[in-house]
Amino acid sequence: ETGVTQSPTHLIKTRGQQVTLRCSSQSGHNTVSWYQQALGQGPQFIFQYYREEENGRGNFPPRFSGLQFPNYSSELNVNALELDDSALYLCASSFTGGSEAFFGQGTRLTVV
Amino acid sequence: AQSVTQPDIHITVSEGASLELRCNYSYGATPYLFWYVQSPGQGLQLLLKYFSGDTLVQGIKGFEAEFKRSQSSFNLRKPSVHWSDAAEYFCAVGLMDSSYKLIFGSGTRLLVRP
Repeated sequence: ETGVTQSPTHLIKTRGQQVTLRCSSQSGHNTVSWYQQALGQGPQFIFQYYREEENGRGNFPPRFSGLQFPNYSSELNVNALELDDSALYLCASSFTGGSEAFFGQGTRLTVV
Repeated sequence: AQSVTQPDIHITVSEGASLELRCNYSYGATPYLFWYVQSPGQGLQLLLKYFSGDTLVQGIKGFEAEFKRSQSSFNLRKPSVHWSDAAEYFCAVGLMDSSYKLIFGSGTRLLVRP
């Protein structure tokens, strides 16, 4: 059974640029959630994807968007990067309605 | 609004000593409750979870947690800490509205003295 994998592990971008982060969900899981973890804080829910559609969003602006593919993998896209977007981005997969989420190792994004 | 509070930012214990990390939540119903551990630069690993039933739950690595409804608490305990337990610990509540999501506390960093 493969776990949740994220790529890349680290990324440096310039303010105003766009970035795409990727996540492969754990085998058999059909729901993917994305979280942002700023330095020294707990993770915050960005959004969730199920059946290739967004089905819940936290308090994040529209420049944060995502995709889910038929194989349940997912992408997080952030446009017009701001310095405050620097964070660890975590992907979590689960079964539909499942209450236990399994996390990847995260992508560390630095915006300069 | 639902929230999770971890009142201790840092805790330092000696190796072999007991440990208790505090977690309080604000939620209308009986929540799903979780403890996760995060080593530096890593993702989150689930230590244990509470859904219903027995209020004392056992997890991995010798950790346990007790759900106390009257105190809205879900404290994490370990009888004897090992140096490898040094990490950041997060308490979380599972919340269902338009989708199922986790609400995390701000974390407690555990330091272990040799």
